[in-house]
Amino acid sequence: KAGVTQTPRYLIKTRGQQVTLSCSPISGHRSVSWYQQTPGQGLQFLFEYFSETQRNKGNFPGRFSGRQFSNSRSEMNVSTLELGDSALYLCASSLETGKRDTEAFFGQGTRLTVV
Amino acid sequence: GDSVTQMEGPVTLSEEAFLTINCTYTATGYPSLFWYVQYPGEGLQLLLKATKADDKGSNKGFEATYRKETTSFHLEKGSVQVSDSAVYFCARNQAGTALIFGKGTTLSVSS
Repeated sequence: KAGVTQTPRYLIKTRGQQVTLSCSPISGHRSVSWYQQTPGQGLQFLFEYFSETQRNKGNFPGRFSGRQFSNSRSEMNVSTLELGDSALYLCASSLETGKRDTEAFFGQGTRLTVV
Repeated sequence: GDSVTQMEGPVTLSEEAFLTINCTYTATGYPSLFWYVQYPGEGLQLLLKATKADDKGSNKGFEATYRKETTSFHLEKGSVQVSDSAVYFCARNQAGTALIFGKGTTLSVSS
């Protein structure tokens, strides 16, 4: 069974540009969550999508957005990139949402560098 | 708000030493608690979990017990190996499948 696939693995963008990251969850999983990992702030929850609907959102500015498609694949978009957006972006898929013991399976992440 | 606090690293041990990584959580609601591990260049993998008070999660020789009275979920292993070198994250669930993570503890084991 294939794991969570994130593309691309590495990305370099210029300040002010926008970027789209992609995540394909494990087959059959309907929940996709996104996290930002930085040395200073650690792992922070961005948002969760389930059945094409955003279910939860973390404390990030509106420049960070996402969506989920009918096949559960998800994309996140960051507009007007800032240097501080440089981070490892992790995607996690889960079978369902709303159950507090649900296991999240993580992809290897996309390393975004903003110059 | 909800938070998870874990001991600062790095933790440096010799092979076969005993490991403890402390973790405490805010007690809002009845969270499930998790330990995740991140090996270099990889994403996070679930190591173990516990869903209610006094539950003990265990996997690959690692153990952690959900202590409601002390709001703690300390990770322990009796005898670490070089292959255990990684970053360990304590986490609690929030809403949906959202997880709140601690800052992570880097473990380095030397032979």
